[in-house]
Amino acid sequence: EVQLVESGGGLVQPGGSLRLSCAASGFTFSDHYMDWVRQAPGKGLEWVGRIRNKVNSYSTEYAASVRGRFTISRDDSKNSLYLQMNSLKTEDTAVYYCARRAVTTFYFDYWGQGILVTVSS
Amino acid sequence: DIQMTQSPSSLSASVGDRVTITCRASQGVNNYLAWFQQKPGKAPKCLIYAASSLQSGVPSKFSGSGSGTDFTLTISSLQPEDFATYYCQQYNSYPLTFGGGTKVEIK
Repeated sequence: EVQLVESGGGLVQPGGSLRLSCAASGFTFSDHYMDWVRQAPGKGLEWVGRIRNKVNSYSTEYAASVRGRFTISRDDSKNSLYLQMNSLKTEDTAVYYCARRAVTTFYFDYWGQGILVTVSS
Repeated sequence: DIQMTQSPSSLSASVGDRVTITCRASQGVNNYLAWFQQKPGKAPKCLIYAASSLQSGVPSKFSGSGSGTDFTLTISSLQPEDFATYYCQQYNSYPLTFGGGTKVEIK
């Protein structure tokens, strides 16, 4: 069974940093591109960024709203995905989801349960 | 960036109704279009990918159609478990973008 479990969320002050993790199981993690998607309270879904697989040099893509502040990484030996968030702003407050991109059909076929990040003083 | 515009933003419907939600992209997305259902406090769940392909395990009352820039999600006979918010998403080009959502409520 495919499982994605986020951790590391919580309350952080504006300007602070936080690192989210996503533990994957039930599939060959190293084959897949992985993404982060967020949802501010009461709002819609916003794509945050992507990391490709080793074959594609672990290259990354980011939304303009987070580029230069957030960094996505992965450790295939630990089946884990990470989101390092620096210079956090109040508008980064959201539930953060990790999502798996299907290998041959490219859509988000599995999502984690989400983790809340609150940026507030 | 490709803008995804969903309509309506909300609708009220009765059990058994046929419901249609539309999604328009600001430019062509090569049918790299998915539909998600989200219930309160839960992660989104994929219903349709590639504009019209039914995700494994999803009931056939859900169907997707369209091409180019205009897409539709149809629920053939609304059931109590279908009351939720629905999002379209294009995965053709970066940044990946979602529609604003359609909240389906009980009439």
